[in-house]
Amino acid sequence: AQSVTQLGSHVSVSEGALVLLRCNYSSSVPPYLFWYVQYPNQGLQLLLKYTSAATLVKGINGFEAEFKKSETSFHLTKPSAHMSDAAEYFCAVSADRGSTLGRLYFGRGTQLTVWP
Amino acid sequence: DAGVTQSPTHLIKTRGQQVTLRCSPKSGHDTVSWYQQALGQGPQFIFQYYEEEERQRGNFPDRFSGHQFPNYSSELNVNALLLGDSALYLCASSWRQSRPLAITFGSGTRLTVV
Repeated sequence: AQSVTQLGSHVSVSEGALVLLRCNYSSSVPPYLFWYVQYPNQGLQLLLKYTSAATLVKGINGFEAEFKKSETSFHLTKPSAHMSDAAEYFCAVSADRGSTLGRLYFGRGTQLTVWP
Repeated sequence: DAGVTQSPTHLIKTRGQQVTLRCSPKSGHDTVSWYQQALGQGPQFIFQYYEEEERQRGNFPDRFSGHQFPNYSSELNVNALLLGDSALYLCASSWRQSRPLAITFGSGTRLTVV
Protein backbone atom coordinates (compact mmCIF):
# COMPACT_ATOMS: atom_id res chain seq x y z
CA ALA A 1 0.00 0.00 0.00
CA GLN A 2 1.03 3.59 -0.55
CA SER A 3 0.44 6.75 1.45
CA VAL A 4 1.73 10.30 1.70
CA THR A 5 2.07 12.68 4.62
CA GLN A 6 2.54 16.36 4.00
CA LEU A 7 3.90 18.14 7.04
CA GLY A 8 2.37 21.56 7.48
CA SER A 9 -0.99 22.43 5.99
CA HIS A 10 0.07 26.07 5.66
CA VAL A 11 3.47 27.55 4.87
CA SER A 12 4.16 31.28 4.63
CA VAL A 13 7.33 32.82 3.20
CA SER A 14 8.45 36.23 2.09
CA GLU A 15 9.05 36.93 -1.57
CA GLY A 16 12.63 35.93 -2.37
CA ALA A 17 12.89 33.49 0.53
CA LEU A 18 13.48 29.75 0.30
CA VAL A 19 10.42 27.58 -0.18
CA LEU A 20 10.46 24.16 1.52
CA LEU A 21 7.37 21.94 1.41
CA ARG A 22 7.72 18.59 3.16
CA CYS A 23 6.47 15.22 1.97
CA ASN A 24 7.05 11.78 3.43
CA TYR A 25 5.79 8.65 1.74
CA SER A 26 5.15 5.02 2.46
CA SER A 27 5.22 2.41 -0.28
CA SER A 28 5.47 -1.36 -0.36
CA VAL A 29 7.06 -1.26 -3.83
CA PRO A 30 9.44 1.15 -5.55
CA PRO A 31 7.47 4.36 -5.82
CA TYR A 32 6.82 7.01 -8.35
CA LEU A 33 6.56 10.38 -6.59
CA PHE A 34 4.89 13.54 -7.80
CA TRP A 35 4.36 17.14 -6.84
CA TYR A 36 1.33 18.94 -8.22
CA VAL A 37 0.28 22.57 -7.90
CA GLN A 38 -3.31 23.77 -7.87
CA TYR A 39 -4.34 27.37 -8.29
CA PRO A 40 -7.78 28.50 -7.09
CA ASN A 41 -10.65 26.99 -9.05
CA GLN A 42 -8.32 25.09 -11.33
CA GLY A 43 -7.19 21.51 -11.88
CA LEU A 44 -3.85 19.93 -11.05
CA GLN A 45 -0.64 20.93 -12.80
CA LEU A 46 2.36 18.61 -12.62
CA LEU A 47 5.44 20.34 -11.18
CA LEU A 48 7.81 17.39 -11.25
CA LYS A 49 8.02 13.64 -10.80
CA TYR A 50 10.50 11.02 -9.62
CA THR A 51 10.53 7.79 -11.60
CA SER A 52 13.67 6.01 -10.29
CA ALA A 53 16.18 7.88 -12.43
CA ALA A 54 18.05 10.80 -10.86
CA THR A 55 17.27 11.37 -7.21
CA LEU A 56 17.33 15.15 -7.65
CA VAL A 57 14.44 16.08 -9.87
CA LYS A 58 14.06 19.48 -11.48
CA GLY A 59 10.63 20.73 -12.43
CA ILE A 60 8.89 23.73 -13.82
CA ASN A 61 8.98 27.25 -12.40
CA GLY A 62 12.31 26.70 -10.63
CA PHE A 63 11.09 23.95 -8.30
CA GLU A 64 13.07 20.84 -7.50
CA ALA A 65 12.73 17.85 -5.19
CA GLU A 66 15.13 15.25 -3.86
CA PHE A 67 14.19 11.61 -3.39
CA LYS A 68 15.73 10.26 -0.17
CA LYS A 69 14.95 6.59 0.21
CA SER A 70 16.56 6.30 3.65
CA GLU A 71 14.29 9.07 4.94
CA THR A 72 11.28 8.13 2.76
CA SER A 73 11.06 11.79 1.85
CA PHE A 74 10.48 13.84 -1.28
CA HIS A 75 10.59 17.46 -0.15
CA LEU A 76 9.89 20.26 -2.63
CA THR A 77 12.15 23.32 -2.69
CA LYS A 78 12.58 26.57 -4.55
CA PRO A 79 15.49 28.90 -3.78
CA SER A 80 13.56 32.14 -4.16
CA ALA A 81 9.79 32.46 -3.78
CA HIS A 82 7.74 34.57 -6.16
CA MET A 83 4.30 35.99 -5.56
CA SER A 84 2.97 33.78 -8.35
CA ASP A 85 3.99 30.67 -6.38
CA ALA A 86 1.11 31.18 -3.96
CA ALA A 87 -1.09 28.10 -4.43
CA GLU A 88 -1.96 24.69 -2.99
CA TYR A 89 0.69 22.01 -3.41
CA PHE A 90 0.04 18.28 -3.36
CA CYS A 91 2.49 15.44 -3.01
CA ALA A 92 1.43 12.09 -4.43
CA VAL A 93 2.80 8.56 -4.63
CA SER A 94 2.08 5.76 -7.04
CA ALA A 95 3.31 2.21 -7.40
CA ASP A 96 5.34 1.49 -10.50
CA ARG A 97 3.81 -1.98 -10.82
CA GLY A 98 1.15 -4.33 -9.50
CA SER A 99 -2.55 -4.12 -8.83
CA THR A 100 -2.52 -0.40 -7.96
CA LEU A 101 -0.59 0.68 -11.05
CA GLY A 102 -1.61 4.16 -12.06
CA ARG A 103 -3.44 4.98 -8.86
CA LEU A 104 -2.22 8.14 -7.15
CA TYR A 105 -2.35 8.52 -3.39
CA PHE A 106 -2.35 12.21 -2.48
CA GLY A 107 -1.41 14.07 0.64
CA ARG A 108 -3.77 16.58 2.20
CA GLY A 109 -1.98 19.49 0.59
CA THR A 110 0.07 22.47 1.71
CA GLN A 111 -1.19 25.99 1.13
CA LEU A 112 1.74 28.26 0.27
CA THR A 113 1.37 31.98 0.99
CA VAL A 114 3.98 34.39 -0.30
CA TRP A 115 4.25 37.80 1.39
CA PRO A 116 5.59 40.82 -0.51
CA ASP B 1 -2.92 17.72 -29.31
CA ALA B 2 -5.76 18.03 -26.83
CA GLY B 3 -5.13 16.95 -23.28
CA VAL B 4 -7.78 15.49 -21.01
CA THR B 5 -11.17 17.07 -21.60
CA GLN B 6 -13.91 17.06 -18.99
CA SER B 7 -17.50 18.20 -19.27
CA PRO B 8 -19.34 20.02 -17.96
CA THR B 9 -17.04 22.40 -16.09
CA HIS B 10 -19.64 23.28 -13.49
CA LEU B 11 -23.06 22.00 -12.53
CA ILE B 12 -25.54 22.29 -9.73
CA LYS B 13 -27.77 19.40 -8.70
CA THR B 14 -30.39 18.85 -6.04
CA ARG B 15 -29.98 16.29 -3.30
CA GLY B 16 -31.34 12.91 -4.40
CA GLN B 17 -30.76 13.53 -8.10
CA GLN B 18 -28.39 11.67 -10.38
CA VAL B 19 -25.45 13.15 -12.31
CA THR B 20 -23.19 12.06 -15.16
CA LEU B 21 -19.75 13.52 -15.71
CA ARG B 22 -17.75 12.93 -18.87
CA CYS B 23 -14.09 12.60 -19.69
CA SER B 24 -12.15 12.30 -22.95
CA PRO B 25 -8.61 11.07 -22.35
CA LYS B 26 -5.49 12.48 -23.92
CA SER B 27 -4.82 11.15 -27.40
CA GLY B 28 -3.00 7.81 -27.19
CA HIS B 29 -4.09 7.10 -23.63
CA ASP B 30 -6.15 4.00 -22.84
CA THR B 31 -6.67 4.19 -19.07
CA VAL B 32 -8.94 6.60 -17.23
CA SER B 33 -9.09 7.25 -13.50
CA TRP B 34 -11.49 9.42 -11.54
CA TYR B 35 -10.77 11.38 -8.38
CA GLN B 36 -12.93 13.35 -5.97
CA GLN B 37 -11.46 16.45 -4.37
CA ALA B 38 -13.54 17.88 -1.55
CA LEU B 39 -12.91 21.45 -0.47
CA GLY B 40 -9.63 21.75 1.39
CA GLN B 41 -8.66 18.12 0.79
CA GLY B 42 -6.37 16.19 -1.49
CA PRO B 43 -7.89 14.23 -4.38
CA GLN B 44 -9.25 10.81 -3.46
CA PHE B 45 -9.22 7.93 -5.95
CA ILE B 46 -12.68 6.74 -6.99
CA PHE B 47 -11.95 4.12 -9.65
CA GLN B 48 -9.96 3.29 -12.77
CA TYR B 49 -11.09 1.94 -16.12
CA TYR B 50 -9.06 0.03 -18.68
CA GLU B 51 -10.33 -2.02 -21.60
CA GLU B 52 -13.87 -0.98 -20.68
CA GLU B 53 -13.65 -2.65 -17.27
CA GLU B 54 -13.30 -1.27 -13.77
CA ARG B 55 -9.80 -2.33 -12.71
CA GLN B 56 -9.39 -0.63 -9.35
CA ARG B 57 -11.79 0.97 -6.93
CA GLY B 58 -11.26 3.27 -3.99
CA ASN B 59 -13.37 3.49 -0.86
CA PHE B 60 -16.52 4.91 -2.44
CA PRO B 61 -20.08 3.57 -2.17
CA ASP B 62 -21.90 1.84 -5.00
CA ARG B 63 -23.73 5.09 -5.73
CA PHE B 64 -20.59 5.93 -7.68
CA SER B 65 -20.36 4.00 -10.92
CA GLY B 66 -18.62 4.42 -14.20
CA HIS B 67 -18.20 3.31 -17.71
CA GLN B 68 -15.53 3.32 -20.37
CA PHE B 69 -16.38 3.33 -24.04
CA PRO B 70 -14.50 1.69 -26.94
CA ASN B 71 -12.94 5.08 -27.81
CA TYR B 72 -11.48 5.15 -24.25
CA SER B 73 -13.70 8.01 -23.10
CA SER B 74 -15.37 7.57 -19.73
CA GLU B 75 -18.35 8.58 -17.65
CA LEU B 76 -18.74 8.91 -13.92
CA ASN B 77 -22.27 8.48 -12.59
CA VAL B 78 -23.39 9.37 -9.11
CA ASN B 79 -26.86 8.36 -7.92
CA ALA B 80 -28.90 9.65 -5.00
CA LEU B 81 -26.72 12.71 -4.57
CA LEU B 82 -25.83 13.84 -1.08
CA LEU B 83 -24.67 17.25 0.03
CA GLY B 84 -21.33 15.65 0.80
CA ASP B 85 -20.86 14.75 -2.86
CA SER B 86 -20.17 18.42 -3.59
CA ALA B 87 -16.60 18.46 -4.84
CA LEU B 88 -14.26 18.91 -7.77
CA TYR B 89 -14.20 15.72 -9.82
CA LEU B 90 -10.97 15.14 -11.68
CA CYS B 91 -10.33 12.77 -14.54
CA ALA B 92 -6.84 11.48 -15.25
CA SER B 93 -5.64 9.45 -18.21
CA SER B 94 -2.54 7.39 -18.97
CA TRP B 95 -1.22 4.78 -21.36
CA ARG B 96 -1.01 1.57 -19.41
CA GLN B 97 2.10 0.26 -21.17
CA SER B 98 4.22 3.38 -20.82
CA ARG B 99 7.16 3.30 -18.41
CA PRO B 100 7.50 5.43 -16.53
CA LEU B 101 3.78 5.99 -16.29
CA ALA B 102 2.71 9.44 -17.50
CA ILE B 103 -0.54 10.67 -15.98
CA THR B 104 -2.41 13.68 -17.31
CA PHE B 105 -5.23 15.42 -15.43
CA GLY B 106 -8.17 17.33 -16.78
CA SER B 107 -9.32 20.63 -15.33
CA GLY B 108 -12.18 19.01 -13.48
CA THR B 109 -15.93 19.30 -13.06
CA ARG B 110 -17.15 21.32 -10.09
CA LEU B 111 -20.30 19.66 -8.72
CA THR B 112 -22.44 21.49 -6.21
CA VAL B 113 -25.28 19.61 -4.53
CA VAL B 114 -27.95 21.79 -2.92
